[in-house]
Amino acid sequence: EAEVAQSPRYKITEKSQAVAFWCDPISGHATLYWYRQILGQGPELLVQFQDESVVDDSQLPKDRFSAERLKGVDSTLKIQPAELGDSAMYLCASSGTDYEQFFGPGTRLTVL
Amino acid sequence: GEDVEQSLFLSVREGDSSVINCTYTDSSSTYLYWYKQEPGAGLQLLTYIFSNMDMKQDQRLTVLLNKKDKHLSLRIADTQTGDSAIYFCAESTGYSSASKIIFGSGTRLSIRP
Repeated sequence: EAEVAQSPRYKITEKSQAVAFWCDPISGHATLYWYRQILGQGPELLVQFQDESVVDDSQLPKDRFSAERLKGVDSTLKIQPAELGDSAMYLCASSGTDYEQFFGPGTRLTVL
Repeated sequence: GEDVEQSLFLSVREGDSSVINCTYTDSSSTYLYWYKQEPGAGLQLLTYIFSNMDMKQDQRLTVLLNKKDKHLSLRIADTQTGDSAIYFCAESTGYSSASKIIFGSGTRLSIRP
């Protein structure tokens, strides 16, 4: 069964360092989402791609976060510099032509 | 603005029915979803209901939608230990597969023997 892949699964970093997360969506899915899930809360959309184009990045803290999906397939989310408040689970999801978003296992980030 | 609210915890006895409730504010919601998240994992879609429906049943799961009160519920019949997880209610206001989804904070379901 096709799945959304994410790496790494866990990342520990010190504040002010740079971190990057990678996501490979289900093959053929044009829409890719990055969510941030703070402990005890639901996922919050950071950025949404349609193919290689950003369609919604209104909640992305653009002073330190960046996201790209250069060839419209896999995607990278970067944080530079990381801050203590960035500790969270970062989830990637993709969707095709139906109404289901398929989620990856997430990357748990801890900033010390 | 859009907001989805749910109670934080629910504890039920194994074999009983679980009912998880959710309220939302956006009257233009088109799809309403229930997702399940197990510890350390991503979210899994359990079921969804279109806003012009008032009930949907899928095996042990029953979704009830009261559009007038903007209230959504998920009933799990014969709750089992494997149902222990966090359940997220979510809404979408678009008609395409690429529409934005707003999630609630999740209800942690625990099962007692």
